[in-house]
Amino acid sequence: AQSVAQPEDQVNVAEGNPLTVKCTYSVSGNPYLFWYVQYPNRGLQFLLKYITGDNLVKGSYGFEAEFNKSQTSFHLKKPSALVSDSALYFCAVRPTAGNKLTFGGGTRVLVKP
Amino acid sequence: KAGVTQTPRYLIKTRGQQVTLSCSPISGHRSVSWYQQTPGQGLQFLFEYFSETQRNKGNFPGRFSGRQFSNSRSEMNVSTLELGDSALYLCASSEGQDNSPLHFGNGTRLTVT
Repeated sequence: AQSVAQPEDQVNVAEGNPLTVKCTYSVSGNPYLFWYVQYPNRGLQFLLKYITGDNLVKGSYGFEAEFNKSQTSFHLKKPSALVSDSALYFCAVRPTAGNKLTFGGGTRVLVKP
Repeated sequence: KAGVTQTPRYLIKTRGQQVTLSCSPISGHRSVSWYQQTPGQGLQFLFEYFSETQRNKGNFPGRFSGRQFSNSRSEMNVSTLELGDSALYLCASSEGQDNSPLHFGNGTRLTVT
């Protein structure tokens, strides 16, 4: 069975500082990996995905994520955080052999001015 | 393109009643997935439909059911409502490939009293 872990319930960062949101996964075979963001009273918005190839994936709003197969991690990063980046972030995994998309528990990001 | 539309936005029901939630996917998307989001359990997968067939199913009791119509619109039904069914129900559509990102609606907030 596949699983996703986001070890931090909340991440606090000052505006302008780098932001990292951690994600590790467990899945049989090669995974498809995704990051989503959720703002209050809204659905989830797709940020980026890893399918294959380059381990560094660039996505929307200046976010990027690094796939590390040996550490089974897919951490989300942004070089310079904005107050507007404050939201709930979800990592998700789906095996390439098909199956449901499984989400991590979410990490709340708070960017302080 | 119009995004995923979920109706109604809010619902208040009484224990024992049943409820039907509706989801209109992005035009051209053939896959519709449903998720339950609660503060305690996070995002829980309910089911996925593709071309009117249930393709994946989560670990929810039989009181939770769904269907998809020939125009890809989907409905989910919850019978004999319990207090614990209070949640945000999210619908997401995709093109249907395993590496396709999900596009979420803003959800239906169900409150069971």
